[in-house]
Order: sequence, then structure tokens, then C-alpha cells
Amino acid sequence: TQLLEQSPQFLSIQEGENLTVYCNSSSVFSSLQWYRQEPGEGPVLLVTVVTGGEVKKLKRLTFQFGDARKDSSLHITAAQPGDTGLYLCAGLEYGNKLVFGAGTILRVKS
Amino acid sequence: DTEVTQTPKHLVMGMTNKKSLKCEQHMGHRAMYWYKQKAKKPPELMFVYSYEKLSINESVPSRFSPECPNSSLLNLHLHALQPEDSALYLCASSQVETSGYYEQYFGPGTRLTVT
Repeated sequence: TQLLEQSPQFLSIQEGENLTVYCNSSSVFSSLQWYRQEPGEGPVLLVTVVTGGEVKKLKRLTFQFGDARKDSSLHITAAQPGDTGLYLCAGLEYGNKLVFGAGTILRVKS
Repeated sequence: DTEVTQTPKHLVMGMTNKKSLKCEQHMGHRAMYWYKQKAKKPPELMFVYSYEKLSINESVPSRFSPECPNSSLLNLHLHALQPEDSALYLCASSQVETSGYYEQYFGPGTRLTVT
């Protein structure tokens, strides 16, 4: 099973600050997905990156897939309290399995 | 429509009870999944169904019994659970992976408490 290392595990910032979450692996993934989850709810798919070097933007969120498809990052600009939640990266492994990172708990204080 | 529905939302059961969790999707997906998630941790895969057949069982104890009656429905039958089985149980669905790219969509989960 491939491993995904996600960092940081916890992040507490003030409203308006920027932040970056990282997912790294020694293995190549065919695609990588980012999810956001609120307490007691299921993960919600934010984006899927497929091509090495790909950059996708979703309002204030910017997602990058590394050139070698082994790493990815999520950058949030001007964070807001509504961005608070658990952010999960997940890489697609052969056989319909997703490999999840450990998750990043983000708290944005107003 | 990317909706996966799960019932019930909350479930409290004793260790001798038998209960079932239900999941439904109408996206035409032919792969469906059960995950277990503890607080502030990532989901842990339990079972995968592909074309209504069990394709992956991640060494889950037999007190959890999955069932896929048709391509839209997925059940998880529970019997003689332990308090440590208390968790959020998530259902997900996707296309069957053939070309190395698919997206997995999750339901809202069932919060299970075993007393």
C-alpha cells in the first residue's frame, strides 16, 4: 500500500491569513483528490488533479499536483471562519482504493 | 447530481442488538464502499463492491456483514458489536476504476454508538 504524508496535522490561524497544506509520497499516483469534512458529516470532494504540474483554482483555494505526480498542495488565500474543517488528501491506488493522508485540522478564528 | 444518501443519521445500539445501515446512490456508479471513521482521523476502508460483487474486504470482523442488493443500494448489517466499534460509518460510490482516474463521492455518514 502506498503512503501519503500530509502536513501540518493542525493549523490554527486568524481570519485573513494564508495557509498551505502539503501531501507527499514516494510513490506515483494516477490522480489525487482533496476533500473537506465538517464534524459529523461526510467528506466533500473539492477537486481532483490528474496531470503532473496541474494547477486548479476554486475561489480562494489553489490546488497543485507535482510534476512527478508524487506530491500535491492546497493553498488557501485570506482564510475565513467558514474554511474551518478537516482537509483530506487521497491518492488513487490500483483496485478502486483511495489512500488517505492523515488529514489537516484547520481552525480559522475571527 | 452527486448525492449519496445514508440512513439512519444516528444509531444507538446495545452489544446484543442487530441493526443495519443503508446507503443509496443514483449516479450510475458501479463501485460502492463502506468506511469507518474515528474522530479527527481519516476514513478507514472496510469493504468495496464492484459490479455488485465484494471485491475488497479489509480484514473486517465478521460482526460487520455487507450486502449489495443491486447497483444502487448498499447495506451494512451489524451484530454483536463492541463499544470500540462506535464511529462514523461512511458510504461512498464511484465509477469502477479502469483508466486510473475516478472520483469517489461520500454520503453524510451514520453516527453509530454502541452501548
